[in-house]
Amino acid sequence: SQKIEQNSEALNIQEGKTATLTCNYTNYSPAYLQWYRQDPGRGPVFLLLIRENEKEKRKERLKVTFDTTLKQSLFHITASQPADSATYLCALDYISGGYNKLIFGAGTRLAVHP
Amino acid sequence: GAVVSQHPSWVICKSGTSVKIECRSLDFQATTMFWYRQFPKQSLMLMATSNEGSKATYEQGVEKDKFLINHASLTLSTLTVTSAHPEDSSFYICSASESVYQETQYFGPGTRLLVL
Repeated sequence: SQKIEQNSEALNIQEGKTATLTCNYTNYSPAYLQWYRQDPGRGPVFLLLIRENEKEKRKERLKVTFDTTLKQSLFHITASQPADSATYLCALDYISGGYNKLIFGAGTRLAVHP
Repeated sequence: GAVVSQHPSWVICKSGTSVKIECRSLDFQATTMFWYRQFPKQSLMLMATSNEGSKATYEQGVEKDKFLINHASLTLSTLTVTSAHPEDSSFYICSASESVYQETQYFGPGTRLLVL
């Protein structure tokens, strides 16, 4: 079965720096990979989706890379701000029972300090 | 657009009682809805998937008689935790998509359940 590893240690960085979060998976390469933001006591909010044939995707200060050889995705937040502090979840798709489903990593907590 | 709401946002109940959680898509028709459970500092675990008007498909290890799911319309799905026990205390989150093929799921804000 697919396993997803995200750094369970919190990532602490200074405001203005680039935050880089890692998502590694162990089994088959998904058709696409997604990143979500989750604030305490809230549901996840979709950020970016990257497909298996895409190397990189950008959206404003966010950048995602996808390396199917390494079975890894990197999520970057440039010019980080304290408001970026949250838990970031990586999710991979799989097909089961005719549905597109998602399997989530446990997330990495990011703390941006002023 | 693509807003999903859940009600209630939190609920406390006594052991042995049943609790119903509603999930609504506010501005789109949700052909497919998903129910997840999340324990503290853990990942979201998919419990079940449902299509409007049909029976839910449950993930391995999830008791369908304990977690009753009704996807009554294209904008409403309900999860009923029957005979709740303290170990059912968790954060329950629903998500919705407009088709079975849609890649992105829109998540609700979650419902915190505490069973005493």
